[in-house]
Amino acid sequence: DSGVTQTPKHLITATGQRVTLRCSPRSGDLSVYWYQQSLDQGLQFLIQYYNGEERAKGNILERFSAQQFPDLHSELNLSSLELGDSALYFCASSVGGGMAGNTIYFGEGSWLTVV
Amino acid sequence: AQTVTQSQPEMSVQEAETVTLSCTYDTSESDYYLFWYKQPPSRQMILVIRQEAYKQQNATENRFSVNFQKAAKSFSLKISDSQLGDAAMYFCAYHGGATNKLIFGTGTLLAVQP
Repeated sequence: DSGVTQTPKHLITATGQRVTLRCSPRSGDLSVYWYQQSLDQGLQFLIQYYNGEERAKGNILERFSAQQFPDLHSELNLSSLELGDSALYFCASSVGGGMAGNTIYFGEGSWLTVV
Repeated sequence: AQTVTQSQPEMSVQEAETVTLSCTYDTSESDYYLFWYKQPPSRQMILVIRQEAYKQQNATENRFSVNFQKAAKSFSLKISDSQLGDAAMYFCAYHGGATNKLIFGTGTLLAVQP
């Protein structure tokens, strides 16, 4: 158990809908990362928050947004869903935000299936 | 831009034998870290080992060790005394001081034969 908690573990939704994925980081970790893992794109970095502020942005679509709340949990919002958004979405956390080498621990992921 | 390359899509090893998974990376940064993550069929990402670029000594964690060749930008993972539970997808990852994100290779699927 990495200590990173993600909910829901699985969800199925229709195209055009909106979903919210939730993540609680490990106790004491200030950074939260979101990654998308699909069959054809591998592991793609989406976005990072550190202590409530956006720190780094990757290949995140405009239909997707995220935020980190004062209690440090984070939510990833996916809207206008398309079939291609079906993937495993990982949340990860680390202690620091800007230093290389902070070990990043992953949650178990949220399986999203868009039908 | 930093890149991570794993040239072996699949590998196979006999139980109790040793296997080496390859990884190369490209970067112009001097401060960075390298990681190997394991993803078993459960799909959870599990940290196996990490290496600081400024350290010459290769990292070791029980049966797992790395061969870090900084000049060649190579970072291979050696698994000794392979066990059935080692069967998984293994990802090499780079974390640089400027990139602020973990960049993954495409993974190597390791099968362990009894």
